[in-house]
Order: sequence, then C-alpha cells, then structure tokens
Amino acid sequence: GDSVTQTEGLVTLTEGLPVMLNCTYQSTYSPFLFWYVQHLNEAPKLLLKSFTDNKRPEHQGFHATLHKSSSSFHLQKSSAQLSDSALYYCAFTGANTGKLTFGHGTILRVHP
Amino acid sequence: ETAVFQTPNYHVTQVGNEVSFNCKQTLGHDTMYWYKQDSKKLLKIMFSYNNKQLIVNETVPRRFSPQSSDKAHLNLRIKSVEPEDSAVYLCASSLGTGGYEQYFGPGTRLTVL
Repeated sequence: GDSVTQTEGLVTLTEGLPVMLNCTYQSTYSPFLFWYVQHLNEAPKLLLKSFTDNKRPEHQGFHATLHKSSSSFHLQKSSAQLSDSALYYCAFTGANTGKLTFGHGTILRVHP
Repeated sequence: ETAVFQTPNYHVTQVGNEVSFNCKQTLGHDTMYWYKQDSKKLLKIMFSYNNKQLIVNETVPRRFSPQSSDKAHLNLRIKSVEPEDSAVYLCASSLGTGGYEQYFGPGTRLTVL
C-alpha cells in the first residue's frame, strides 16, 4: 500500500553542520510530497512542497528535490541553526485523494 | 485574523464519557480534516470533508463521528471515550483535495482517565 518512510527517531547535530533528513515513499499514483515542521507546542506548518516541473523548492535555507526514480524527497540544509530544532514530517498526497499520509516524524535537535 | 481555530485547547474526562471538539477556519477553504497525533507523535488522518461532504473515512472506531454544518466548520464527537483515545486532535483545512498545502489548527489535547 501507499506509505512514506523517513529517518527514524532523533537526529542530533552541532550548529553549523549540514542537515539531511531522508524520506522515501511508496505510492500507486503520482504523489505530491511535503515536508511539515512542528515546533514544540505548536501546530505543524508547511516547510516545503514538491513541484511538478522539477523546480527545487527552498524555504528558510531548507531544500528538497523530488527524485521519482528513487521515490525520494530528502530534506537538506547546508548549515543547521539552533532554531531548526523541531519535529519534521515527510508527507504525501495524491491528486484528489483528500488526505495526507505522514511519515513517523524525525526529531531534529541542534546544539551549540 | 485568518487561520484555523480549535476549541477547547485541553479536555480531561473519564472513560465512557462523551466529548465534542470544534474547529473553524476563516481561510475560505473548501476542504477540512481531522487528524490524530498520539503520544509517539504519529500523525494519522481520520476524516476529510470537501464542501460539507465526507470524502475520507479512515479505519476509525464507530464511536468517532464528524459533523460539518458548513464549509468553515468541522466538529468531532466521541461517544464513550476509551483510554487509547488520549491524544492531540488536529484540525486542518486546504483549498482543495489535490496537492494543496494544509493549514493546521493548534490542536485539542484529550486525556482520558
């Protein structure tokens, strides 16, 4: 069935080091991929969304590229900041399915 | 202010009671959702409504029932709550059912004693 798998559990980084959170998906249709971020005691918010025209979405220094050949949408940032500490979800939806399917979430903790 | 609003913020109740949660969006969206976020932070879709019509009903116990009076409101009722219902219930909305961004409310944290 349709599913999304992302880097499990906790990722701990030193400020200034690069960030890479993995996301792969399995889908019976051509999906839209998203990264959502949830800071402590806040609602999830959209960080990035895949485009259909091969544009690489970027936001707050984060970027991700949809690779249909490997069914991946990894999240990257060249230099982690303390404020990036949060819970990150990879998610996908198909056209008109009416739902987002989320991965299990990855906690990113950035320390000085 | 345009956003997704949920009430209450918290609710503590006992096993077997009935609870209701409210959600309102002022974004002018056509589609609304209920998600459950459990203690391990797993986030799962429960229901989706498009123009007041139920379009997604995942495998959810029958004690859960959504209600939509108009496109801007989506409520959730739980009859006879169980301990495993303890979670954060997140409401969201989007412009449509395709690859649109979903906007989430702050959530209602339910604790069942």
